[in-house]
Amino acid sequence: EPEVTQTPSHQVTQMGQEVILRCVPISNHLYFYWYRQILGQKVEFLVSFYNNEISEKSEIFDDQFSVERPDGSNFTLKIRSTKLEDSAMYFCASSPYRAGGLAKNIQYFGAGTRLSVL
Amino acid sequence: TQLLEQSPQFLSIQEGENLTVYCNSSSVFSSLQWYRQEPGEGPVLLVTVVTGGEVKKLKRLTFQFGDARKDSSLHITAAQPGDTGLYLCAGAFGFGNEKLTFGTGTRLTIIP
Repeated sequence: EPEVTQTPSHQVTQMGQEVILRCVPISNHLYFYWYRQILGQKVEFLVSFYNNEISEKSEIFDDQFSVERPDGSNFTLKIRSTKLEDSAMYFCASSPYRAGGLAKNIQYFGAGTRLSVL
Repeated sequence: TQLLEQSPQFLSIQEGENLTVYCNSSSVFSSLQWYRQEPGEGPVLLVTVVTGGEVKKLKRLTFQFGDARKDSSLHITAAQPGDTGLYLCAGAFGFGNEKLTFGTGTRLTIIP
């Protein structure tokens, strides 16, 4: 069964360093998302991406964050200068549908990357 | 800001018992999804409900969407230890491919 793949599973970095989290969405999916989950808290939306541009972003997604789909298969999240509070599980998701009316906004999640900022 | 409230936050019951967990919002969902999340892993999709009053069954799990599309419930019949996990509801409030807003989850423990 197709799945969303994320690498690495765990990333440890020093505060102020840049990190790139990688995702391979399910083939033929059209919409891509990043969410994060701080330990013990709920899953929070960061950004959505469609047709090679950002569709929506949350207030968490500030100038330190960027997303890219460099080669038609990978979808990356870059944090330019990590802060301690960026430590969290980061989940990539993808959706096959251009939803509308009663169509379903179904999102499939990867297993996540645990980012630890020291 | 749309909020999803899940209740109870924690539930511990004996194997074989039935249980219901709830997901509520003051806003109308366009669709709602239930996920299960294991520690250190991503949410795994269980079901999506779209139509008010819709009922979907997945083996011993029954999902119901409220008539007004503001609430949903997950009922498990004859719970088994393998049902232990974190159950999340996530709602979409638009009719496109908008973000999902997640609830805080119900952590379910089934005692053998």
